[in-house]
Amino acid sequence: DQQVKQNSPSLSVQEGRISILNCDYTNSMFDYFLWYKKYPAEGPTFLISISSIKDKNEDGRFTVFLNKSAKHLSLHIVPSQPGDSAVYFCAACSGGYQKVTFGTGTKLQVIP
Amino acid sequence: GAGVSQTPSNKVTEKGKYVELRCDPISGHTALYWYRQSLGQGPEFLIYFQGTGAADDSGLPNDRFFAVRPEGSVSTLKIQRTERGDSAVYLCASSAGGAVPGELFFGEGSRLTVL
Repeated sequence: DQQVKQNSPSLSVQEGRISILNCDYTNSMFDYFLWYKKYPAEGPTFLISISSIKDKNEDGRFTVFLNKSAKHLSLHIVPSQPGDSAVYFCAACSGGYQKVTFGTGTKLQVIP
Repeated sequence: GAGVSQTPSNKVTEKGKYVELRCDPISGHTALYWYRQSLGQGPEFLIYFQGTGAADDSGLPNDRFFAVRPEGSVSTLKIQRTERGDSAVYLCASSAGGAVPGELFFGEGSRLTVL
């Protein structure tokens, strides 16, 4: 069963505009949510996270929003830059237990 | 180097052969993970070590897969009697454990191709 779902396999955005990547989860035990970024031929790298006790976390151009009642989170990138073009994975875990479950990824293309 | 190191970066083998993939984690990281990523999919959890012991091996697909971490540092993922369906990128990650829950540091992966 896919406990973390990213329903959009790809997204194309103009440089300078906002990119919004979405993620849904089904496991109510998850209490930490993360976004990872992956370039070709490299391993995923951690981008930003949010605890379930918050509904928003911001780091520079990146903001993650969490809606627990809807079991939904999103990553906003503003403004989008060509260097942001990569595959973005949503991930989740239970804080005291470090197994991390990943979604299938969304390939973001930022067009100059 | 300072990052997670995986060898080999590429491995081509024939169906039925035995394969070992090695992971050297970031120094001092107590937690080590193996994931598998197939084309178009996200990383799929295989096994997680805390120190020398496997804390969770629930993701290993069957008994052909085995992993060890005898001294709490380097880990080896072992695949017996390889099948074509085992072809994937095998990712290793390590974690300081407790800094940011879920923050993993990945290596570049070992791409396994079973012919």
